[in-house]
Amino acid sequence: GESVGLHLPTLSVQEGDNSIINCAYSNSASDYFIWYKQESGKGPQFIIDIRSNMDKRQGQRVTVLLNKTVKHLSLQIAATQPGDSAVYFCAENKGGFQKLVFGTGTRLLVSP
Amino acid sequence: NAGVTQTPKFRILKIGQSMTLQCTQDMNHNYMYWYRQDPGMGLKLIYYSVGAGITDKGEVPNGYNVSRSTTEDFPLRLELAAPSQTSVYFCASRSDRGRSTGELFFGEGSRLTVL
Repeated sequence: GESVGLHLPTLSVQEGDNSIINCAYSNSASDYFIWYKQESGKGPQFIIDIRSNMDKRQGQRVTVLLNKTVKHLSLQIAATQPGDSAVYFCAENKGGFQKLVFGTGTRLLVSP
Repeated sequence: NAGVTQTPKFRILKIGQSMTLQCTQDMNHNYMYWYRQDPGMGLKLIYYSVGAGITDKGEVPNGYNVSRSTTEDFPLRLELAAPSQTSVYFCASRSDRGRSTGELFFGEGSRLTVL
């Protein structure tokens, strides 16, 4: 079936660098996308979302970009900090939010 | 405001045993969910509920049951535990009021091992 996936399982960056986490999706009917952060031993935490009628949305130090032409989603984290170290999941939904489909996650490691 | 609370945090079961994972939320959210997360994997939806008295199957419901007698509580029942149910279980809730988003509020998880 259609699914959400990620290009890189682990991303290592230096503190202060900008991080880009990528996500590919295959369901062209999906109209809503969301990024979650999961720290070790904790539940996922909402970061930012974007609807399919937008191609960019900014939050605090984070930006999500959506390219519907190539079915690609990315999360940009500016000035990455050690506290950003976590696993990041993208998720997609096709109407209703009832059944978000989660990707397998990318681990972000930030070195001081 | 405690958010979403899950108990127990850890449990070891023998094959064939049964147990209930408890989940309660104090945010008056109508939507509640149960997910499982296997090592190195994303979240798979087991069951969800859109309000008290209403439940529906998710992607991987086999071997589980749920009930939703109140808005606050959404217990997950495992009958005849199997090693394949070894996983971390997350309960989540979502508001259906105000701006409509997919933001789920997760509990801290319940790690279950079936031996």
